[in-house]
Amino acid sequence: EAGVAQSPRYKIIEKRQSVAFWCNPISGHATLYWYQQILGQGPKLLIQFQNNGVVDDSQLPKDRFSAERLKGVDSTLKIQPAKLEDSAVYLCASSFTFGRLLNEQFFGPGTRLTVL
Amino acid sequence: KNEVEQSPQNLTAQEGEFITINCSYSVGISALHWLQQHPGGGIVSLFMLSSGKKKHGRLIATINIQEKHSSLHITASHPRDSAVYICAVKLSNTDKLIFGTGTRLQVFP
Repeated sequence: EAGVAQSPRYKIIEKRQSVAFWCNPISGHATLYWYQQILGQGPKLLIQFQNNGVVDDSQLPKDRFSAERLKGVDSTLKIQPAKLEDSAVYLCASSFTFGRLLNEQFFGPGTRLTVL
Repeated sequence: KNEVEQSPQNLTAQEGEFITINCSYSVGISALHWLQQHPGGGIVSLFMLSSGKKKHGRLIATINIQEKHSSLHITASHPRDSAVYICAVKLSNTDKLIFGTGTRLQVFP
């Protein structure tokens, strides 16, 4: 079974530029998560999708971050414009559904973003 | 105070040593994950448990729900075990995960 795919793996941009990340979850997984992990910290949830609907985006900085999952499968996360503090690893995860007691999340390899 | 606390933050060991990483939490949970993160960022799920103990190869995870505490043990440690180990708790009645800051383990030959 293929895992969660993410691209690119690494990205270096200058502040005020735009960047987009792509995630393809495990086939059949209805729930998709985007996390931001700043160096030395644990991941922080940015947004959670159930199919193509948003379940939780309470910690997404909506003035500069946006995410979509139009067909309920793969997803893109965009930052426009980027700030220095956006330098982090962006992790995508997926799970079969949500609300189940032991619903396990499977993580992708992450995209390491450096903003100069 | 963080809702999920891990100790130690950093750990070095000689190959073959028995290793313990601890996780304490202060919220109601339905499950707890132990995750492994190698340089480069990718995260692998090691265990998800809601009670008792689980074992997989040289890894053992235990949880005490009453004491809100979990431990991850590595027996006969090996340099390839070097990674960051992250504890994450799944809040009751949600899918939300709260992550600890991780324990950086280095095992030397």
